[in-house]
Amino acid sequence: GIQVEQSPPDLILQEGANSTLRCNFSDSVNNLQWFHQNPWGQLINLFYIPSGTKQNGRLSATTVATERYSLLYISSSQTTDSGVYFCASKRGGYNKLIFGAGTRLAVHP
Amino acid sequence: EAQVTQNPRYLITVTGKKLTVTCSQNMNHEYMSWYRQDPGLGLRQIYYSMNVEVTDKGDVPEGYKVSRKEKRNFPLILESPSPNQTSLYFCASGAGSSGANVLTFGAGSRLTVL
Repeated sequence: GIQVEQSPPDLILQEGANSTLRCNFSDSVNNLQWFHQNPWGQLINLFYIPSGTKQNGRLSATTVATERYSLLYISSSQTTDSGVYFCASKRGGYNKLIFGAGTRLAVHP
Repeated sequence: EAQVTQNPRYLITVTGKKLTVTCSQNMNHEYMSWYRQDPGLGLRQIYYSMNVEVTDKGDVPEGYKVSRKEKRNFPLILESPSPNQTSLYFCASGAGSSGANVLTFGAGSRLTVL
């Protein structure tokens, strides 16, 4: 199956800073999603982005499928952005989403 | 409100005592799936279902059973729980023709097996 690797594993920011999280995948994929797990454990879908760029408020994501990576940008970070960010991907013809190990983000005031 | 509802949210049980974690979604999604989350191991898929009466194993199906008799419900059954099944469990449902587009997760069920 495909491998999904995220970097960095941990990130500490001061409130207001910008950050970029990266997700590399080992094979061509037809599905790429970003999730945020807040400190209470809730998993929220941020983006479904198999290719191209999307923006939602302070968050945006870009997937370059031909180069097998996706980036999640967080601008003007807030303490509520803290938690773990996961990317997940799957290949065409397969039904299993494979999750990366996550990037743990802590935003301090 | 569109949501995936899991119950119970917290459960402490003993080895060998059968239990069921229920999962229900109100979005008419065909795809549903169960994951477990363990420290250092991330999210791993247990079972998934592409539609009613269609289920398949994920990466870690041992010790679990599922059923999909109705579109909205996808219960996870632990016939004889063991301590290594202590974990945080998530149910998810998915929109889209491929079934895995845009997953919506339940709030999670924290299970402790003594």
